[in-house]
Amino acid sequence: QKEVEQDPGPLSVPEGAIVSLNCTYSNSAFQYFMWYRQYSRKGPELLMYTYSSGNKEDGRFTAQVDKSSKYISLFIRDSQPSDSATYLCAFHTGGFKTIFGAGTRLFVKA
Amino acid sequence: NAGVTQTPKFQVLKTGQSMTLQCAQDMNHNSMYWYRQDPGMGLRLIYYSASEGTTDKGEVPNGYNVSRLNKREFSLRLESAAPSQTSVYFCASSEAIGAGGNTIYFGEGSWLTVV
Repeated sequence: QKEVEQDPGPLSVPEGAIVSLNCTYSNSAFQYFMWYRQYSRKGPELLMYTYSSGNKEDGRFTAQVDKSSKYISLFIRDSQPSDSATYLCAFHTGGFKTIFGAGTRLFVKA
Repeated sequence: NAGVTQTPKFQVLKTGQSMTLQCAQDMNHNSMYWYRQDPGMGLRLIYYSASEGTTDKGEVPNGYNVSRLNKREFSLRLESAAPSQTSVYFCASSEAIGAGGNTIYFGEGSWLTVV
């Protein structure tokens, strides 16, 4: 079983839709949960991070963590064409290693 | 506003050739990393440097060497390139390893093809 599972997509939605992106993980030692956004031909950039179960909101983005189910989600409200990118979940134990999911490609159509 | 700068952006190598990817950061970060990104595999850590003067292996170090030249610069060397090393390489840095919510800042990537 992989340490992190993320559906690669692609996920295609119309502008204005609510997008749900998800990852599951198997390592109970993960303490920090992150989402990175990667535009085509660019490096990933941190979008959100949280360290506890529950929801964290930042503008149109909400990160949700369910430690009991080992499941994290990123919701994007009122999606825009500029949100078209690959979204990578990432996990950190507090040590040197950050584990990344393979990424989900999102296309938001105008 | 440079952040993490890596060169070259694109490179084609023949099997057996050697090359060095250069990386520099201007954020005064202590920790630096080299990742490779392959379709369906996500980002995998090749080597990292927790602080100036130290380097350690990551998940996939075979076939690579690194040098932390100073606090700013961290280079990745392929001594004898193989087709399996065809990938996109990202240099990255962070303030400190192990810090909670350790934000990693990435460069724009280097596309390497080994033929």
